[in-house]
Amino acid sequence: EPEVTQTPSHQVTQMGQEVILRCVPISNHLYFYWYRQILGQKVEFLVSFYNNEISEKSEIFDDRFSVERPDGSNFTLKIRSTKLEDSAMYFCASRLNQQNSPLHFGNGTRLTVT
Amino acid sequence: AQSVSQHNHHVILSEAASLELGCNYSYGGTVNLFWYVQYPGQHLQLLLKYFSGDPLVKGIKGFEAEFIKSKFSFNLRKPSVQWSDTAEYFCAVSHLSSGSARQLTFGSGTQLTVLP
Repeated sequence: EPEVTQTPSHQVTQMGQEVILRCVPISNHLYFYWYRQILGQKVEFLVSFYNNEISEKSEIFDDRFSVERPDGSNFTLKIRSTKLEDSAMYFCASRLNQQNSPLHFGNGTRLTVT
Repeated sequence: AQSVSQHNHHVILSEAASLELGCNYSYGGTVNLFWYVQYPGQHLQLLLKYFSGDPLVKGIKGFEAEFIKSKFSFNLRKPSVQWSDTAEYFCAVSHLSSGSARQLTFGSGTQLTVLP
């Protein structure tokens, strides 16, 4: 069964640095998402992406965050000027369409900002 | 804004006990409803989903959930749990938002521990 893959599994960075979290969605999926889960808290929506542009973003997704689908297979989340509170598990997800298809999640990238 | 409430933060059961995890949502329009499970160290996996039709939906591993529209609820059930069901369970709701992206809103999760 095809899977969403995320790399790296764990990323440690110093406060103020930039990080890029990488995701390879399922190949025929059209909608892409990033979610995050701070330890002990609920999974929170960050951003959705369709047709090479952001469809929707939450208040968490401030101007330090950006997403890109540079080559038709990868879907990246970039965080500039990282803060301690960015430490979380970041999940990528994709879905085939909007109608009756569920989200498929990757294993997540644990981001630790020190 | 819509919200999803899971009433139990941590449930501890013995093997073979019956399970019911509560989920309520606040959105009044047409919704799609999901239960996801997260086993230790693994990613979120879909257990079951409801889009329309029979409000009693059956998922993988013997789980089922019932959509009760009048109660805005989508409780997860399993008649007899196993030790391997130990995991965190998330209820999630999606609706056609203004951005048309049908993003999911998750509940806070319920940690299920099944004692052997």
